[in-house]
Amino acid sequence: ETGVTQTPRHLVMGMTNKKSLKCEQHLGHNAMYWYKQSAKKPLELMFVYSLEERVENNSVPSRFSPECPNSSHLFLHLHTLQPEDSALYLCASSRGQGIGNEQFFGPGTRLTVL
Amino acid sequence: AQKITQTQPGMFVQEKEAVTLDCTYDTSDQSYGLFWYKQPSSGEMIFLIYQGSYDEQNATEGRYSLNFQKARKSANLVISASQLGDSAMYFCAMRGGADKLIFGTGTRLQVFP
Repeated sequence: ETGVTQTPRHLVMGMTNKKSLKCEQHLGHNAMYWYKQSAKKPLELMFVYSLEERVENNSVPSRFSPECPNSSHLFLHLHTLQPEDSALYLCASSRGQGIGNEQFFGPGTRLTVL
Repeated sequence: AQKITQTQPGMFVQEKEAVTLDCTYDTSDQSYGLFWYKQPSSGEMIFLIYQGSYDEQNATEGRYSLNFQKARKSANLVISASQLGDSAMYFCAMRGGADKLIFGTGTRLQVFP
């Protein structure tokens, strides 16, 4: 398997549920990212991990909790979400964080919070 | 603050014709990179092309070229010989000194036969 994979592709959860999104990259990259894409809004950067250390937390509510156990895997743990958290959650990776390093994206997880 | 503006919410183009998708940016950084991504209905963001702020030549990748006008702070994407498979959302993005990738709101391109 190549590139960036995300599971699940679709998730429906209630406001009291706890779930996790998983991202895996097979590109040997050192940086990984979580983005949120809501309708009619630009992609919003949520978290950045570089060499398994969190280097960016973009004022994301604590009901979103990232985890990066190694350079190939990234998780987003979800608990007590709100309906406005329904969105497409995209994971990306890049070789490094330099200006010219393009990010490669996974297919996303379409999350619906009821 | 950095900002990306895509003023065209939607564009139509006939198959085999060329189309230009507009992108303007705002930054105080001297060194930055500009990217275009394609997002089909499946959701995945596909990297298309990159232009560095110090690159003198406009970037080209196959049927994609980036019309970079630094003084105007514009980085328009030109798709030549459009194909039906080009129908998708297209996002312009910029990365500057803060290392964040900032995206525009996107342009929906529809290619018709």
